[in-house]
Amino acid sequence: DQQVKQNSPSLSVQEGRISILNCDYTNSMFDYFLWYKKYPAEGPTFLISISSIKDKNEDGRFTVFLNKSAKHLSLHIVPSQPGDSAVYFCAAPQSNSGGSNYKLTFGKGTLLTVNP
Amino acid sequence: DTGVSQNPRHKITKRGQNVTFRCDPISEHNRLYWYRQTLGQGPEFLTYFQNEAQLEKSRLLSDRFSAERPKGSFSTLEIQRTEQGDSAMYLCASSFTASGPQHFGDGTRLSIL
Repeated sequence: DQQVKQNSPSLSVQEGRISILNCDYTNSMFDYFLWYKKYPAEGPTFLISISSIKDKNEDGRFTVFLNKSAKHLSLHIVPSQPGDSAVYFCAAPQSNSGGSNYKLTFGKGTLLTVNP
Repeated sequence: DTGVSQNPRHKITKRGQNVTFRCDPISEHNRLYWYRQTLGQGPEFLTYFQNEAQLEKSRLLSDRFSAERPKGSFSTLEIQRTEQGDSAMYLCASSFTASGPQHFGDGTRLSIL
């Protein structure tokens, strides 16, 4: 079962506009979320994270919003730049019996294309 | 370069052969993870080490797969008697703490002929 879902396989936006990437989750035990960016032929690169005790986290042009009641998070990129064109993955860690986070569960990713 | 390093970047082999991949994590990271990614999917967890101890293995890791992390430094992932379905990108990640983000290498792309 897909515990982390990214329902939009692709998104295209104009340079300078806002990009909004969405992610839904089903596991109510998730309490921490991460966004990764992946360029072709490279590994995923950590972008930004958010803890469930917050509903917003901002880092420069990137802001992640978390709506716990809706089990939904979104990544906003403002302003979008051509170099932001990549696949974006939403992920959440699961904890083992000792309460230690270990494995990440990823969504299928959204391909963002920012047109000049 | 102090990031996670994986070798080789590409491996092409015939079905039935054994292959081994290596991962060198970021030096101060004691947690190391292996993931597999196929086309159109996100990375899927395979196994996890804390120092030299392998603490968790996914059901995706059949008995043809074995991973080691001697001395808690680099790690190897071996696939024996490779099958067509093993074709994928194999990613390694490391983290300093359980709560910190995992940092990924650029992966090893395995192609089975």
